[in-house]
Amino acid sequence: DAKTTQPPSMDCAEGRAANLPCNHSTISGNEYVYWYRQIHSQGPQYIIHGLKNNETNEMASLIITEDRKSSTLILPHATLRDTAVYYCIVRVPYNQGGKLIFGQGTELSVKP
Amino acid sequence: DAEITQSPRHKITETGRQVTLACHQTWNHNNMFWYRQDLGHGLRLIHYSYGVHDTNKGEVSDGYSVSRSNTEDLPLTLESAASSQTSVYFCASSESGQGRVGEQFFGPGTRLTVL
Repeated sequence: DAKTTQPPSMDCAEGRAANLPCNHSTISGNEYVYWYRQIHSQGPQYIIHGLKNNETNEMASLIITEDRKSSTLILPHATLRDTAVYYCIVRVPYNQGGKLIFGQGTELSVKP
Repeated sequence: DAEITQSPRHKITETGRQVTLACHQTWNHNNMFWYRQDLGHGLRLIHYSYGVHDTNKGEVSDGYSVSRSNTEDLPLTLESAASSQTSVYFCASSESGQGRVGEQFFGPGTRLTVL
């Protein structure tokens, strides 16, 4: 399984964009990148996923480099409620079960 | 609204007892998963199921079992509870298919303490 590397913690000012990096240098061509977040004591919440192209939804944007070895999750206007642990996950290929293997994540603190 | 629920939300038990944690989803999802979360380990996959009567072992399955008799439920059983199984347990579900299998919906969690 491809492994991911994320900084253990980051700070962001409220109203600013939060850019969360993730390295996945051993990713293979058919492995998707997923982002989840977990607010304290709650179950994880799906945010976004992508394969090769950049993706955007109502929560965030996902930028994947051309070589696919790294990606960045962007929260365009961070609020205090975005304080959470953010997990970058390279999903096991679908024909091998499609499982998610969670790492340690990045603890994002949004400050007033 | 469709949802995924877990019960109980908190459980205290004694070493050696059998414990069953319930997970129920109303999305009609084929895929269901059980994770445990401990400080310093993140979420680790225990067991998962891709449909009725299908079960598979995850990365930390020793001491746990599951059975899938219908689409809505995937109960997790600790055959003989051990202190090392004190943890927070999360259940999740997802649709089938390449684009959906990774979009998992998580329950609120069950905090289990084994004394």
